[in-house]
Amino acid sequence: AQSVTQPDIHITVSEGASLELRCNYSYGATPYLFWYVQSPGQGLQLLLKYFSGDTLVQGIKGFEAEFKRSQSSFNLRKPSVHWSDAAEYYCAVAYMGRRALTFGSGTRLQVQP
Amino acid sequence: DAGVIQSPRHEVTEMGQEVTLRCKPISGHDYLFWYRQTMMRGLELLIYFNNNVPIDDSGMPEDRFSAKMPNASFSTLKIQPSEPRDSAVYFCASSGTISGNTIYFGEGSWLTVV
Repeated sequence: AQSVTQPDIHITVSEGASLELRCNYSYGATPYLFWYVQSPGQGLQLLLKYFSGDTLVQGIKGFEAEFKRSQSSFNLRKPSVHWSDAAEYYCAVAYMGRRALTFGSGTRLQVQP
Repeated sequence: DAGVIQSPRHEVTEMGQEVTLRCKPISGHDYLFWYRQTMMRGLELLIYFNNNVPIDDSGMPEDRFSAKMPNASFSTLKIQPSEPRDSAVYFCASSGTISGNTIYFGEGSWLTVV
């Protein structure tokens, strides 16, 4: 069965510092990978997605992620975090033939001034 | 463009009452998903439809839950009778080739069963 692991439940970074959120998936087929962000009391907003092609994808709000097949990873990065980035971040995976997303457990990002 | 529209946004109901959550997907999308979010279990897929037909309902917790999609622009998730453990945020989402198969989420329906 497909699964997604986000090993970091909670991360705190200082404003202006760089950020990397980890995501690992398990399945044999080529995945479709996504990162969503959820602010308190809000729905999920898509940050970026990977379907195929260039393994480094750019998203909104200055985020990027890199697909590494050898490591079954799709880590999210941002070079300089802003206070408004504080939120819950979810990695998700889908596959050809199954459109529904399987989500990781989420990583809560806190930004210190 | 209108996104996925859910109603009600918030509902408080008493145990044993029937709850109906509604969803209007993005026009032109042919997939519709219902997810539930709780602190304990995170985001869980309940059911999804393709062209109004249920494809996978293995995530529906029990017979108290039912979902329908009578047409391409409307879906309901019904809980009857409701129980306190059903308290959660219920998200509807949709996708389609016209939007590159990306899944877009509604703002959620926040359900509290007392």
